[in-house]
Amino acid sequence: DTAVSQTPKYLVTQMGNDKSIKCEQNLGHDTMYWYKQDSKKFLKIMFSYNNKELIINETVPNRFSPKSPDKAHLNLHINSLELGDSAVYFCASSDYRDRDSGANVLTFGAGSRLTVL
Amino acid sequence: AQTVTQSQPEMSVQEAETVTLSCTYDTSENNYYLFWYKQPPSRQMILVIRQEAYKQQNATENRFSVNFQKAAKSFSLKISDSQLGDTAMYFCAFMYVSGTYKYIFGTGTRLKVLA
Repeated sequence: DTAVSQTPKYLVTQMGNDKSIKCEQNLGHDTMYWYKQDSKKFLKIMFSYNNKELIINETVPNRFSPKSPDKAHLNLHINSLELGDSAVYFCASSDYRDRDSGANVLTFGAGSRLTVL
Repeated sequence: AQTVTQSQPEMSVQEAETVTLSCTYDTSENNYYLFWYKQPPSRQMILVIRQEAYKQQNATENRFSVNFQKAAKSFSLKISDSQLGDTAMYFCAFMYVSGTYKYIFGTGTRLKVLA
């Protein structure tokens, strides 16, 4: 039973298209994240949501729009895709309520590799 | 600003040997947590070990242990009896609380275990 699941795992698309990546966690965590991992493996936070509210919004083009319909889901929609958007996008979750337990550990999804041609 | 530095982009070790991956960080925070994550070729990010900054005792998890030197802001990972399945990218991460959890990752060390 996958804790953090992302779909799709692979996405190949043309420049200018719009695409979405979905993420769901069944851990009961209250905080979810999107990270971008570039070709050099550098991991950079994009967004963080706590109980459906946007908490962290790093310097990310406004073509990227996260949506959290409930605290178990965090989707990422990307408009007008560009070549530089090619990367692996990781969804993750943690629980802010109990910081002294293992719940502050980030649990990652398997990643979604986006290739923009 | 918080920073995490992994100065070894690549390392290799013979199977059954011991290897140490280094990580240093910079922060003015007093309460924070440190983690090592492993990313094998499957690309799944997996937690290896976790250390609370307020605990002096070094964390251990089976063959994995850390050397946490708070004053030196150093958090190295030791892998004993290396196995082929340990081949992966290893990321050091620093987490502090500022309204929410804020995680900063190092640039990673690619470890190859040789048969």
